[in-house]
Amino acid sequence: DAGVIQSPRHEVTEMGQEVTLRCKPISGHNSLFWYRQTMMRGLELLIYFNNNVPIDDSGMPEDRFSAKMPNASFSTLKIQPSEPRDSAVYFCASSLDGWEKLFFGSGTQLSVL
Amino acid sequence: DQQVKQNSPSLSVQEGRISILNCDYTNSMFDYFLWYKKYPAEGPTFLISISSIKDKNEDGRFTVFLNKSAKHLSLHIVPSQPGDSAVYFCAARPGTASKLTFGTGTRLQVTL
Repeated sequence: DAGVIQSPRHEVTEMGQEVTLRCKPISGHNSLFWYRQTMMRGLELLIYFNNNVPIDDSGMPEDRFSAKMPNASFSTLKIQPSEPRDSAVYFCASSLDGWEKLFFGSGTQLSVL
Repeated sequence: DQQVKQNSPSLSVQEGRISILNCDYTNSMFDYFLWYKKYPAEGPTFLISISSIKDKNEDGRFTVFLNKSAKHLSLHIVPSQPGDSAVYFCAARPGTASKLTFGTGTRLQVTL
């Protein structure tokens, strides 16, 4: 079975550019999560969708970040404009229902120069 | 403010010995705790969990201990194997329908 699929695996961009990260959750899962991993703060929740509806976006750092889930099999996290402090690994995760066991993708390593 | 703290960023243990990874939390409403394991270039994977109604849960070589009065949990790996070398994240949530909060992780290296 395919797990959570994220693309791209690595993204290098210049400050000010728009960045779009993509995620395909596990088929049949109804909850999707975007996390960011940094050395200082560990894994931070950015946003949580349930049945394609954003439930909790309190972790989104600022208006430069936006996330969408147009259907059950696809989600995007967009940063516009990107800044060097956005450099981190961004993980997408899905679950069968809410906060039960989360299944993570392999992450996108973002570097903003 | 970190509600889940893993104060040891790294730990090195010899193969065959016990690895003990520690986690402290500040939110007394947390009642379910999980450990995730992460290899390089991969996402975290679920390892073991414990409910606050228990003080110990065991799964093969992995045992998690919970001390609610101290707001402390630990993961014991016995015996440690080189394949256990990874980053371990502690996570907690206040109820089944509530947000999972992760710690900063501890990097375990098991040496030969």
